[in-house]
Amino acid sequence: QKEVEQDPGPLSVPEGAIVSLNCTYSNSAFQYFMWYRQYSRKGPELLMYTYSSGNKEDGRFTAQVDKSSKYISLFIRDSQPSDSATYLCAMSGGQNFVFGPGTRLSVLP
Amino acid sequence: DAEITQSPRHKITETGRQVTLACHQTWNHNNMFWYRQDLGHGLRLIHYSYGVQDTNKGEVSDGYSVSRSNTEDLPLTLESAASSQTSVYFCASSVGLNYGYTFGSGTRLTVV
Repeated sequence: QKEVEQDPGPLSVPEGAIVSLNCTYSNSAFQYFMWYRQYSRKGPELLMYTYSSGNKEDGRFTAQVDKSSKYISLFIRDSQPSDSATYLCAMSGGQNFVFGPGTRLSVLP
Repeated sequence: DAEITQSPRHKITETGRQVTLACHQTWNHNNMFWYRQDLGHGLRLIHYSYGVQDTNKGEVSDGYSVSRSNTEDLPLTLESAASSQTSVYFCASSVGLNYGYTFGSGTRLTVV
């Protein structure tokens, strides 16, 4: 079993839709959870950072962490064509830092 | 503004040549990392450093080396380039082990 699993997509949605992106993980030592956005031919950029379980909201983005299920989510409300990118989850704990493989999202105008 | 820069942006080299990719950050971060990104594999860690004179191997370190002589720079050297090392290479830095990473814009390397 891979340490972090993420559906690679591609995921295509119409503009204005609510998008749900998810990752599952196996290492219970992970305490810090992140989402990165990567545009084509660019480096990943940190989008959301959360510690332990719970929700965090930033504008149209909400990150959720459920440590009991080892499951994290990123919700994008009122999605825009500019949200079209690859979204990578990442998590860390102790000396371990792992990225998910990424989900490619296309928001169609 | 603080930044992390990689050079060159694109590089074509021949099999067997030694190649060095540069990474320079002005965040004053102790931690620096090199990743390669390939379709189907995501980001894979090559080498990392937690400070000056400290270097460590990642999961795909064979054929690569790094050195850390100051806080700002972590150059990545391919000792003898192979076609399997054709990839996009990203440098990243962070202030601590459990903090988010700041990435450079990447170097697209082609080995012919």
